[in-house]
Amino acid sequence: EVQLVQSGAEVKKAGESLKISCKASGYSFSTSWIGWVRQMPGRGLEWMAIVYPADSDTRYSPSFQGQVTISVDKAINTAYLQWSSLQASDTAIYYCIRWSQCAYWGQGALVTVSS
Amino acid sequence: QSVLTQPPSVSAAPGQKVTISCSGSSSNIGKNYVSWYQQLPGTAPKLLIYENNKRPSGIPDRFSGSKSGTSATLGITGLQTGDEADYFCGTWDSSLSAGPVFGGGTKLTVL
Repeated sequence: EVQLVQSGAEVKKAGESLKISCKASGYSFSTSWIGWVRQMPGRGLEWMAIVYPADSDTRYSPSFQGQVTISVDKAINTAYLQWSSLQASDTAIYYCIRWSQCAYWGQGALVTVSS
Repeated sequence: QSVLTQPPSVSAAPGQKVTISCSGSSSNIGKNYVSWYQQLPGTAPKLLIYENNKRPSGIPDRFSGSKSGTSATLGITGLQTGDEADYFCGTWDSSLSAGPVFGGGTKLTVL
């Protein structure tokens, strides 16, 4: 069974850094895309970044290029999303997804950034 | 502005049928499989339909999917109050910044 288990909710201040994680199991980690999707309160789903662990092919949505960094640790089947300087507008739920012709979802992680 | 276009809301009475459309382009729906997701309030999206028209184990056959050209449709028959949720379509976009793309979501109200 595919499982994506994300790190917990975070409360941060504007300007702080943050790294959230997603541990995958139940499938071959290296040979599926894994990425992150943002959902702001009451809004739709926005793709942010995605990586193919086998060859480190990394893609960023133009809306998020330069704003976040995606990375993986193949040794522990874990993907990460990192911010160097959070803004209040980063307040949202962040979902980890495995993409293999469709998305398999983590449970989501609420990130709250206060100004 | 989402890459895939869905109606913001649809509604129907219990027991009735409803369809939700998803419109894209030749670089996304026109080239790749479409999937559909149900998001109940306060929960993560759940896969309903994959590869245009296939249902994962445990999804009732009241839910169906189809695709034609650059559009796709989700159908739900025998509506139940428990079907009230947001529904999203998704696919891969093969343009320059290739990646997964989603519709803006459709709120289903079961009257």
